[in-house]
Amino acid sequence: NAGVTQTPKFQVLKTGQSMTLQCAQDMNHEYMSWYRQDPGMGLRLIHYSVGAGITDQGEVPNGYNVSRSTTEDFPLRLLSAAPSQTSVYFCASSKYQDGISSYEQYFGPGTRLTVT
Amino acid sequence: RKEVEQDPGPFNVPEGATVAFNCTYSNSASQSFFWYRQDCRKEPKLLMSVYSSGNEDGRFTAQLNRASQYISLLIRDSKLSDSATYLCVVRVAGNQFYFGTGTSLTVIP
Repeated sequence: NAGVTQTPKFQVLKTGQSMTLQCAQDMNHEYMSWYRQDPGMGLRLIHYSVGAGITDQGEVPNGYNVSRSTTEDFPLRLLSAAPSQTSVYFCASSKYQDGISSYEQYFGPGTRLTVT
Repeated sequence: RKEVEQDPGPFNVPEGATVAFNCTYSNSASQSFFWYRQDCRKEPKLLMSVYSSGNEDGRFTAQLNRASQYISLLIRDSKLSDSATYLCVVRVAGNQFYFGTGTSLTVIP
């Protein structure tokens, strides 16, 4: 199993550009989530999904969109990049079945995004 | 007020030492608790879940004190490979997770 994979590893955007960060997992995990990590802030939850077609907002959702069309993939879209979105983005997944979750999350290697 | 607070350290300890980290959380309705470790510029990795009765995994012991709203992690017989940042994580209702900013540990030969 590859676990959780993320692409790209690094990205530089100009203010106002849009892009999609990709996340995929091959563990058949129902729960997937996106976090951003900034110095001195800890990881903060952006959006999460408990299954295909179901998404919800986390602590810092503004400026980001998600969709979940398959169990495997959970892309994060930046609609109009701003310098405040410069961060390291992590995708995570965990097992969630029949309404019961282990809540133990497995993280991808991260995407380092710089917005100039 | 932050949902989860940790002493950032750094903790510098010799090999073989015992070191303890504490973490406090603000929401009394928090339901699940975890410790993750994060190596420099890498993703967080689950170290252990923390159960109400406390739990141990090899050299690592985790404790939960709901009355005082804190979680602890004890590392015995520290190894060089334990050098990392340790993240305290709390799950509030549903799927809302809050991470502490982490405690940095360096184990010195």
